[in-house]
Amino acid sequence: EVQVLESGGGLAQPGGSLRLSCVGSGFDFRSYSMNWVRQGPGKGLEWVSSITTISSITSTSDVNYADSVKGRFTISRDDAKNSVYLQMNSLRDDDTAVYYCARDRCCGTLDLDYWGRGTLVTVSS
Amino acid sequence: DIQMTQSPSSLSASVGDKVTITCRASQYITNYLNWFQHKPGKAPQLLIYSASRLHSGVPSRFSGTGSGTDFTLTISSLQPEDSATYYCQQSYETPRTFGQGTKLEIK
Repeated sequence: EVQVLESGGGLAQPGGSLRLSCVGSGFDFRSYSMNWVRQGPGKGLEWVSSITTISSITSTSDVNYADSVKGRFTISRDDAKNSVYLQMNSLRDDDTAVYYCARDRCCGTLDLDYWGRGTLVTVSS
Repeated sequence: DIQMTQSPSSLSASVGDKVTITCRASQYITNYLNWFQHKPGKAPQLLIYSASRLHSGVPSRFSGTGSGTDFTLTISSLQPEDSATYYCQQSYETPRTFGQGTKLEIK
């Protein structure tokens, strides 16, 4: 059974940092691109960031970010630990949200087929 | 960025009813359109991908149609467990964008 499980949420002050983690199981983690999606209080879903599989040629992944987090958030992955991370710096009040980890369905698609239950990040002084 | 607009924002229907939710993209996205179901405190669930393909394990009462800019999610016979918020999402380009959601209530 495909599962993803997020952790690392909590309370942070404006300007502070948090690091979210996501562990995948039940699938060949290294073969899938992964994403973070968030939902602010009373709001809809907002895609945050994605990371592709590691290229066998360059040994690097391609990453993308929403404009709202570019320059402040960094996504990374550790295939040995079946994990993807989101380092969040310079946090703002409007970063308060439930953060979901989600897998891409396959092969370059932008379809999010399996999601976790999310981890709550609250930014407040 | 591609804007996704859903209608209605909310609706109420009875068990057994046929329910339709629409989604419009601000530009042409061929069939790169997904539908999700989201219940409070739960993981969002992919229902439909590529506009009309049913994701594994999703009941056949869910179906999707459309291409270009206009898309539809249909629930053929509403069940009590279908109470949720439904989102469309374009997978045509980055950034991936979602509709604002349709909250479906069971009468």
